[in-house]
Amino acid sequence: KNQVEQSPQSLIILEGKNCTLQCNYTVSPFSNLRWYKQDTGRGPVSLTIMTFSENTKSNGRYTATLDADTKQSSLHITASQLSDSASYICVVILNQAGTALIFGKGTTLSVSS
Amino acid sequence: SAVISQKPSRDICQRGTSLTIQCQVDSQVTMMFWYRQQPGQSLTLIATANQGSEATYESGFVIDKFPISRPNLTFSTLTVSNMSPEDSSIYLCSVRTGEYEKLFFGSGTQLSVL
Repeated sequence: KNQVEQSPQSLIILEGKNCTLQCNYTVSPFSNLRWYKQDTGRGPVSLTIMTFSENTKSNGRYTATLDADTKQSSLHITASQLSDSASYICVVILNQAGTALIFGKGTTLSVSS
Repeated sequence: SAVISQKPSRDICQRGTSLTIQCQVDSQVTMMFWYRQQPGQSLTLIATANQGSEATYESGFVIDKFPISRPNLTFSTLTVSNMSPEDSSIYLCSVRTGEYEKLFFGSGTQLSVL
């Protein structure tokens, strides 16, 4: 069964600290993996898109990694800010057309001052 | 990129009534997608709305419960019919465009059914 598992379910960190969110998938075939940020009361917004051949991709203070052998991805947030408080969703795309998607349940991050 | 305006942003409804959610995209797109996001759960695709044809529903979702309209390439509506408390959820519309068919979402509709 195709699954996308995210951990931890929730996380609380102090402003300025770093954190890493995990995404493990048991999906086949695999086209690409995406991380989305969803602020409360808003729709998800794309952070990164990684294909099978990419190991690391950065978007500002967000760095995503992908290990296609172990089927694991991580999202590292550096020097967290209060505005990073949100839900982070991992999405695995099964096909090139991008029409078959499996969503993780998300990790809820709270950054406190 | 695509900008999607979705409304209403939230509503509180009585059991047995219906609510229509609207999404307007700032560009023409072939397909629009409707998702449900229940608390603590992943996004679940309800249906794909195609202009000029009937929507395609995913397993577990039926047209009588979630009728969809797609009158043109920039607009779609989703109606949640004969609501019950189990329909309380966030409903999101989405489009895919650009490289890798990147997903863009509306801001969501938070629905509470009493």
